[in-house]
Amino acid sequence: DAGVTQSPTHLIKTRGQQVTLRCSPKSGHDTVSWYQQALGQGPQFIFQYYEEEERQRGNFPDRFSGHQFPNYSSELNVNALLLGDSALYLCASSWRTRGLYGYTFGSGTRLTVV
Amino acid sequence: DAKTTQPPSMDCAEGRAANLPCNHSTISGNEYVYWYRQIHSQGPQYIIHGLKNNETNEMASLIITEDRKSSTLILPHATLRDTAVYYCIGNAGGTSYGKLTFGQGTILTVHP
Repeated sequence: DAGVTQSPTHLIKTRGQQVTLRCSPKSGHDTVSWYQQALGQGPQFIFQYYEEEERQRGNFPDRFSGHQFPNYSSELNVNALLLGDSALYLCASSWRTRGLYGYTFGSGTRLTVV
Repeated sequence: DAKTTQPPSMDCAEGRAANLPCNHSTISGNEYVYWYRQIHSQGPQYIIHGLKNNETNEMASLIITEDRKSSTLILPHATLRDTAVYYCIGNAGGTSYGKLTFGQGTILTVHP
């Protein structure tokens, strides 16, 4: 059973460009969350998608947007890239059992903005 | 989500038990304590969670104090592959929809 799959694994973009990252959730998971992890820091929550809608959002500007497709896969889009957007972007899919959520994380996409 | 405090780093000898503490004095009654770890260049991996009873699974044991203000993650026989950043997280699920608030975590280094 495949876990969470993210693509691409590495990406280099120029400041001001736009980028799209992709995530396929683990089989049976219907919720996808995105996290940004700067070097040496813990992951920071960007937003979460459920039933193709953004359900919750962290403290990130509107340059960060997302989408969830009917097959539960998701995309993270970042516009007008800044040098500070360089980070590891993690996707996590989740399931809910008895009111609790369990997360499975992908290995992430390493974005470098130059 | 509760604020958690962990030591920035710890060392452990291979084969010995690794005991990782976490302080969560502001945890509310409906918040669970979750532990995740992140091995270099990988995504975080779920280890264990608990509410107020001690928990054990194939990876680790979780000891939660009676007042729930602190907990300890125990890796009973640490191996070199357990070298990672360990995160303690308080989370209520429910209306937070399971959003995880990561802190800085504890860098555990297991040495031969």
